[in-house]
Amino acid sequence: QVHLVESGGGVVQAGRSLRLSCAASGFAFSTYAMHWVRQAPGKGLEWVTVLSSDGTNEYYADSVKGRFTISRDNSQNTVYLQMNSLRVEDTAIYYCAKAGCGGTRCYSNRWGQGTLVTVSS
Amino acid sequence: DIVMTQSPDSLAVSLGERATINCKSSQSVLDSSNNYKYLAWYQQKPGQPPKLLIYWASTRESGVPDRFSGSGSGTDFTLTISSLQAEDVAVYYCLQYYSSPHTFGQGTKLEIK
Repeated sequence: QVHLVESGGGVVQAGRSLRLSCAASGFAFSTYAMHWVRQAPGKGLEWVTVLSSDGTNEYYADSVKGRFTISRDNSQNTVYLQMNSLRVEDTAIYYCAKAGCGGTRCYSNRWGQGTLVTVSS
Repeated sequence: DIVMTQSPDSLAVSLGERATINCKSSQSVLDSSNNYKYLAWYQQKPGQPPKLLIYWASTRESGVPDRFSGSGSGTDFTLTISSLQAEDVAVYYCLQYYSSPHTFGQGTKLEIK
C-alpha cells in the first residue's frame, strides 16, 4: 500500500528558505518519478515540479523556477523540495505525489496528505 | 506553456443524472508517435488530497467506479459521470502532462441539484 508523508512545512518569513521532505513506502520508490503540487488556500491545484526516477530529469513551474529545487534519495525512499527566496504567494499546502511511471511525462497516481507552508511578510 | 480551460466552473446535477465536465487545451496533448493523449482527471473532496480518476484521457484508474469515463481528441476532453451519486460531490480537475510545465485546469465544482 502506497504511503506518502510530507513534513517540513511551517511559518516562514518572506525571503527565507524551507526544505520539505516526503517519505515514501509501499512501492519500489526508485522506479517512479515524483511530483510536488501545491494548493493555495481556497484555490485550485498548481503543479510545481517533477523529478524522474533516476534523478536525471527535472522540470519546474515558471513561478518557482530558479528558487525551488527538487531532489531525491533513492536509498532513503525520500523526495525533497528545497524552497529558497520564499514569497507570500508561495503560501499553500504542498503535496508530494507518486507518478505512474519513471519518466517525467507522467500523471500522478498517489498523493500524500500535504504539508502547509505559510510565508509571512 | 499549455493552458487548460475547464467548463463550466460549477455544475449542479440531480442524483442519478449525467454530469459532463469539459477541458480544453491550448495545444494538442496527443503524441502522434505513440497515439497517447497526455490528459488526466482528478477528483478532490474538501480537506482531502486529489484522487486520480482517469489517465491517458480514457483509462480508468483501478478502483474507480465505472460510472466515471473520459474521452476526447487532441485538445478537447470530457469527463462524464453517467449517474451522479451523492459521494461524487467534489471539485474536478484536468491535468496535461504532455509537456513541462504540467498544467491543471482551474477546476469544476460539482454539486447536487
